[in-house]
Amino acid sequence: QKEVEQNSGPLSVPEGAIASLNCTYSDRGSQSFFWYRQYSGKSPELIMFIYSNGDKEDGRFTAQLNKASQYVSLLIRDSQPSDSATYLCAVNRGGADGLTFGKGTHLIIQP
Amino acid sequence: DVKVTQSSRYLVKRTGEKVFLECVQDMDHENMFWYRQDPGLGLRLIYFSYDVKMKEKGDIPEGYSVSREKKERFSLILESASTNQTSMYLCASSLSFAGDYGYTFGSGTRLTVV
Repeated sequence: QKEVEQNSGPLSVPEGAIASLNCTYSDRGSQSFFWYRQYSGKSPELIMFIYSNGDKEDGRFTAQLNKASQYVSLLIRDSQPSDSATYLCAVNRGGADGLTFGKGTHLIIQP
Repeated sequence: DVKVTQSSRYLVKRTGEKVFLECVQDMDHENMFWYRQDPGLGLRLIYFSYDVKMKEKGDIPEGYSVSREKKERFSLILESASTNQTSMYLCASSLSFAGDYGYTFGSGTRLTVV
């Protein structure tokens, strides 16, 4: 059974601080990992992907992957109220199964 | 950028009606997907297609069918709509079947069955 687990939140972070979002997955064969942002009433939007162990940075966003621990995280530096959204973690084994999504973490950035 | 267009943003249908949800993508992607999203349940895969006229069942195909007659268009069909099919429906497309580059989602169709 493929599973992707996220804390549903809400996770409340003051403006300007670092928001840390976490995701664990059960399938050791997973090869690619994605973070989507979803504003209320809108569709998911891809913001980061990572394939290799370590960190990947893109602007204020950093994705971190630890395959040994089956753990992927998203850090948002200098959090802004516009970052308030639900963040979905998704993983893929690289085969015919497509992406498996977590249920998302609701992030609230407090001004 | 890939654009995935869903024909309706909001739909209200009656129980028992046959409902068609249309999705069109403009980047020649082979792979297309239909999900539904419900509070507390997350995204659940209904059907996907990796080629014209090809379709595969996802996790929750019961009560649904799909059609892919052209590469750019993937339709979701509710044969006889029921109230438990009230949901947000999301179409997605992908360059790689394995999703190596992620999926691009359409704007969604919020379907209410009364």
